[in-house]
Amino acid sequence: GENVGLHLPTLSVQEGDNSIINCAYSNSASDYFIWYKQESGKGPQFIIDIRSNMDKRQGQRVTVLLNKTVKHLSLQIAATQPGDSAVYFCAENNAGNMLTFGGGTRLMVKP
Amino acid sequence: DTEVTQTPKHLVMGMTNKKSLKCEQHMGHRAMYWYKQKAKKPPELMFVYSYEKLSINESVPSRFSPECPNSSLLNLHLHALQPEDSALYLCASSWSGGRNTDTQYFGPGTRLTVL
Repeated sequence: GENVGLHLPTLSVQEGDNSIINCAYSNSASDYFIWYKQESGKGPQFIIDIRSNMDKRQGQRVTVLLNKTVKHLSLQIAATQPGDSAVYFCAENNAGNMLTFGGGTRLMVKP
Repeated sequence: DTEVTQTPKHLVMGMTNKKSLKCEQHMGHRAMYWYKQKAKKPPELMFVYSYEKLSINESVPSRFSPECPNSSLLNLHLHALQPEDSALYLCASSWSGGRNTDTQYFGPGTRLTVL
């Protein structure tokens, strides 16, 4: 079936560096994507979203890029901080508001 | 306010017990969701309620019984669970369940252990 997946299960970065987390999706009809951050023992926290009529959206220290040609989504975190350490999930929002999550990437920030 | 609350935070139950998980939101959202999350895995959708009616049941075993008493509350009744049902149970809500552009906001989850 169609699914959303991630390339890297674990990403380790130095504090202050930029982080890039990637995600591939296979449902070409999807038109809404979300990135969630999940810290240990907590529920997923909304970070940023993007609709398919856009290819870039910026938030505070975060940027999401969408490449519909290759069905690829990425999350960029600028000046990564220890508090950014968490598991990051991309999610594809299907018809009926059903979320399909990618496998997740653990981001580890080294001080 | 984008808060979804869940109680209890932790629950340990035997296979013959009956227990309930509770979820509440006061954002005026009309869609609410139950997800199950196993360790090191992404959340998996179980149920969707839209305008207090069950709209999606992802082939969940009948030992899990959802209930939506009103637009702010969502319960998950548990009975005769198996040890493999141990997981983090997440509740989420969104403005509606009919559009695919509504952001879902998650609660902190209930960590369930079945002995």
